[in-house]
Amino acid sequence: DVKVTQSSRYLVKRTGEKVFLECVQDMDHENMFWYRQDPGLGLRLIYFSYDVKMKEKGDIPEGYSVSREKKERFSLILESASTNQTSMYLCASESPGTGFFKQYFGPGTRLTVT
Amino acid sequence: QQQVKQSPQSLIVQKGGISIINCAYENTAFDYFPWYQQFPGKGPALLIAIRPDVSEKKEGRFTISFNKSAKQFSLHIMDSQPGDSATYFCAPKQGSSNTGKLIFGQGTTLQVKP
Repeated sequence: DVKVTQSSRYLVKRTGEKVFLECVQDMDHENMFWYRQDPGLGLRLIYFSYDVKMKEKGDIPEGYSVSREKKERFSLILESASTNQTSMYLCASESPGTGFFKQYFGPGTRLTVT
Repeated sequence: QQQVKQSPQSLIVQKGGISIINCAYENTAFDYFPWYQQFPGKGPALLIAIRPDVSEKKEGRFTISFNKSAKQFSLHIMDSQPGDSATYFCAPKQGSSNTGKLIFGQGTTLQVKP
């Protein structure tokens, strides 16, 4: 069974703090993604990565950066947290297969910025 | 831009009834059409998916109907059960290559009453 783990389920940070959200997958998947989930807006893609040290901007990259030094680990960084970054953050991994792409999600980190 | 519109936002169905959730899209480049299911406190999980070369796909009580000309696809849950109570997302894929990404709808919260 594919397992995607996220470092924290709940996190409370202060405005201006640097925040690291870690994601680890155990299935040797090439592709990894970071989303944020807000009520009524669905999931919005922040950044994704197709390989180690590669990254691509998603639809809402402003205020975020990412790091992928190892294949199994994909980190999301909030350089200077702001209250509008209070949200649920979801990490996913995906193995490009035979045409039916399946993303495996972690349980999410609920981040509150005060 | 709102490439994907999902409806209804919420749905209440009696046990044994049929639940229908719709997804309308604008981008004709989408060529993979999945539905994800999310239970409270969990990340989304792939439920069922379809390619545009077929108009319908059935897996147990879950069916996707696809209308390419109308740029719509829907999820039908037959004999709905309380255990189906969850949030459902359509998430068509932009590009069928390894580097494509999912575009999530806003989500539909389904409650199945016993």
